[in-house]
Amino acid sequence: TQLLEQSPQFLSIQEGENLTVYCNSSSVFSSLQWYRQEPGEGPVLLVTVVTGGEVKKLKRLTFQFGDARKDSSLHITAAQPGDTGLYLCAGDASGTYKYIFGTGTRLKVLA
Amino acid sequence: NAGVTQTPKFQVLKTGQSMTLQCAQDMNHEYMSWYRQDPGMGLRLIHYSVGAGITDQGEVPNGYNVSRSTTEDFPLRLLSAAPSQTSVYFCATQGSGANVLTFGAGSRLTVL
Repeated sequence: TQLLEQSPQFLSIQEGENLTVYCNSSSVFSSLQWYRQEPGEGPVLLVTVVTGGEVKKLKRLTFQFGDARKDSSLHITAAQPGDTGLYLCAGDASGTYKYIFGTGTRLKVLA
Repeated sequence: NAGVTQTPKFQVLKTGQSMTLQCAQDMNHEYMSWYRQDPGMGLRLIHYSVGAGITDQGEVPNGYNVSRSTTEDFPLRLLSAAPSQTSVYFCATQGSGANVLTFGAGSRLTVL
């Protein structure tokens, strides 16, 4: 069974702090996606990383795909209350559209 | 642009009742899927379809049926609801060649 393990599961920080969320697996993924989910809504795509070692930036969010394409990280610089939400990584290791999701990291940024 | 529309948004069932969760999309996406989301377990794939007339099982298919008679619609059927099926259900679609899932707003189901 393919698994995507995310850590930490919960994170509560003050506005302005930095944080990193990790997504790890023993399987190789052709790509990994990061989503953010707000309460009462479906997940919304933040970014897709495709190439091993790739780094993508989205304003204060930096996403990295591991060289071996088994892991990824999300770093948020100077977190703001608007960053509060559930962050999910996802991927399709088998290339058969059977996307699997990590268990999620619930982030709360306090003003 | 409606995107992915799920109905109903909330539903309460008694054990043993049947119901259908509806999912409709207007993006002409070939791929459609159903996930359930439970606390601490992320999203788990129930069933998916890569086109009209084609369906396949995901990670947790037991107790659920699907069919795909049109590109636009992908209903999820619970034939005999059980309390273990209490969850939030999400429908997601993907366009051909794209690495992004587009989700509906979810359907919260409670089975008493």
